[in-house]
Amino acid sequence: QSALTQPASVSGSPGQSITISCTGTSSDVGGYNYVSWYQQHPGKAPKLMIYEVSYRPSGVSDRFSASKSGNTASLTISGLQAEDEADYYCNSYTSSGTLVFGGGTKLTVL
Amino acid sequence: QMQLVESGGGLVKPGGSLRLSCAASGFTFSDYYMTWIRQAPGEGLEWVSYITSSGTTIYYRDSVKGRFIISRDNTKKSLYLQMNSLRAEDTAVYYCARFGGSGWSIDCWGQGTLVSVSS
Repeated sequence: QSALTQPASVSGSPGQSITISCTGTSSDVGGYNYVSWYQQHPGKAPKLMIYEVSYRPSGVSDRFSASKSGNTASLTISGLQAEDEADYYCNSYTSSGTLVFGGGTKLTVL
Repeated sequence: QMQLVESGGGLVKPGGSLRLSCAASGFTFSDYYMTWIRQAPGEGLEWVSYITSSGTTIYYRDSVKGRFIISRDNTKKSLYLQMNSLRAEDTAVYYCARFGGSGWSIDCWGQGTLVSVSS
């Protein structure tokens, strides 16, 4: 049950775009279209931003998009805003019937 | 609106036990798979366990197998986590959460309850 691999931190200026990667294996990210992404502000519960690799829940800004290629999923945030500064986590279903999270990525808006 | 409220956290000595509860409201609890997720101080999210809507299928992460027991009472719209043989590394905020039915995504989270294991 090793965590999915995410960069520890990314940063960007307001208006720019950033991408966060999430690398797993063929037993999790690569094997299923069950990758989701969560945003977590300090002291708050996580919020679902993307489900099933690339779908946005109702109410999530279309500045958030995501995709997957092989064993790596990616979250892209375009038109960065100050409110996007948060921790982001990917998550995947696994072939063992369990779930695994990424280690998390701290996004800093410069 | 849908809401999950955890309770039962606190300070416990290593080797001790604690039972977390999660009260659900605003949705048909018995229709949904439920899960516990934890977050150690300053660390990332870690999936702990989940239970299917009927309670017939349960999974745990390896590090809590044999020590934690997840259960639910659909008549009381409640989810539970019985934690035994607690270790310092179990110290975390424990979130109760709901699978939304879309590809194992979690669409509703509680506010979390802090479990501290220390002598």
